[in-house]
Amino acid sequence: GAGVSQSPSNKVTEKGKDVELRCDPISGHTALYWYRQSLGQGLEFLIYFQGNSAPDKSGLPSDRFSAERTGGSVSTLTIQRTQQEDSAVYLCASSLASGGVEQFFGPGTRLTVL
Amino acid sequence: GNSVTQMEGPVTLSEEAFLTINCTYTATGYPSLFWYVQYPGEGLQLLLKATKADDKGSNKGFEATYRKETTSFHLEKGSVQVSDSAVYFCALSPQGAQKLVFGQGTRLTINP
Repeated sequence: GAGVSQSPSNKVTEKGKDVELRCDPISGHTALYWYRQSLGQGLEFLIYFQGNSAPDKSGLPSDRFSAERTGGSVSTLTIQRTQQEDSAVYLCASSLASGGVEQFFGPGTRLTVL
Repeated sequence: GNSVTQMEGPVTLSEEAFLTINCTYTATGYPSLFWYVQYPGEGLQLLLKATKADDKGSNKGFEATYRKETTSFHLEKGSVQVSDSAVYFCALSPQGAQKLVFGQGTRLTINP
């Protein structure tokens, strides 16, 4: 079956612009996660959704970052007024349940802020 | 807080060599422990996991044992292959939480 998909695969933007990154989880997976992978910081957790609710937003680095999930499926991560330090690969993952279970990762969106 | 420390890379071995990648963690309670692997050009995928003390996770010839007394989850394989070349990440999921906390990753290269 289809895995987690993310779009776009690559995004180049100018400093100060807003960007939206999309994640389509595996059908039926109730939990959805966003992570960021960068050279300096490694793999960092950003936010977790259970259904359409986000009980853990502790990893969002600033109020320029926000995310939503609709219909218990697709999620969008929005970065406003992008900065060069936002350049990274943004990974989405989903799982059937939550807590100690396997998370299935998408291929990522590589964001470059010029 | 929760953190994972893993062996710095890169690690280069010859085919059929024995592999150990060290991983230690700091966490309260009883986290679940994972090894994820990222093959060249591919996404992160689960290699193995263990959810309680003394559990051994295994897959594709790789093994790791959850050692609570030493807070470790070292990855081992008896005879590596060129196809094992990848970046390996040790991770934990804190008890009662859903996120994964990752180590910094270890790049492994196996030469024929």
